[in-house]
Amino acid sequence: QKEVEQNSGPLSVPEGAIASLNCTYSDRGSQSFFWYRQYSGKSPELIMFIYSNGDKEDGRFTAQLNKASQYVSLLIRDSQPSDSATYLCGGGYNKLIFGAGTRLAVHP
Amino acid sequence: SAVISQKPSRDICQRGTSLTIQCQVDSQVTMMFWYRQQPGQSLTLIATANQGSEATYESGFVIDKFPISRPNLTFSTLTVSNMSPEDSSIYLCSVGQEDGYTFGSGTRLTVV
Repeated sequence: QKEVEQNSGPLSVPEGAIASLNCTYSDRGSQSFFWYRQYSGKSPELIMFIYSNGDKEDGRFTAQLNKASQYVSLLIRDSQPSDSATYLCGGGYNKLIFGAGTRLAVHP
Repeated sequence: SAVISQKPSRDICQRGTSLTIQCQVDSQVTMMFWYRQQPGQSLTLIATANQGSEATYESGFVIDKFPISRPNLTFSTLTVSNMSPEDSSIYLCSVGQEDGYTFGSGTRLTVV
């Protein structure tokens, strides 16, 4: 069983809509969870991290963590074509294990 | 966040040879990590490298194939040994800090 599971997509949303990205994890020892964005040919860049149950907002991005359900999500409001990328969910204890990544396409 | 310099940025190597990838960090960090990203795939953790101790390898990765050095708190190397075409991937180093993990720019390796 993979430690972090993500739907690989692609997820297609119209410009201005909300994109919802989801992730589940199996290791209850995982303490922190991270969302990264990766453009083709580039290294991953950090969007947000979360370690407490509930919501964490930063601009157009909201991360949600539910430790009881072992579920992490990322909402992107007012999606823009520039948000089109692969989004990587990762978590772990003293290391970072990634899911398969979800390809997001925002169309005008 | 830490700044990581990784080199080489790319290389084309003959099968059966070895390549050493270097990562230099601009500040002292306890934890450094090495990842592999195969074409069209996500990042897979190879090993965790802590200064002063042997690297800890993830399932499916062994020291004989991917020896790692961590001589101090700002530097690490990963060697890909006895390469085959299946080793063609992007290799990335990463450092872990309180505000997240930062990645190097990656080494694109092609084995022919």
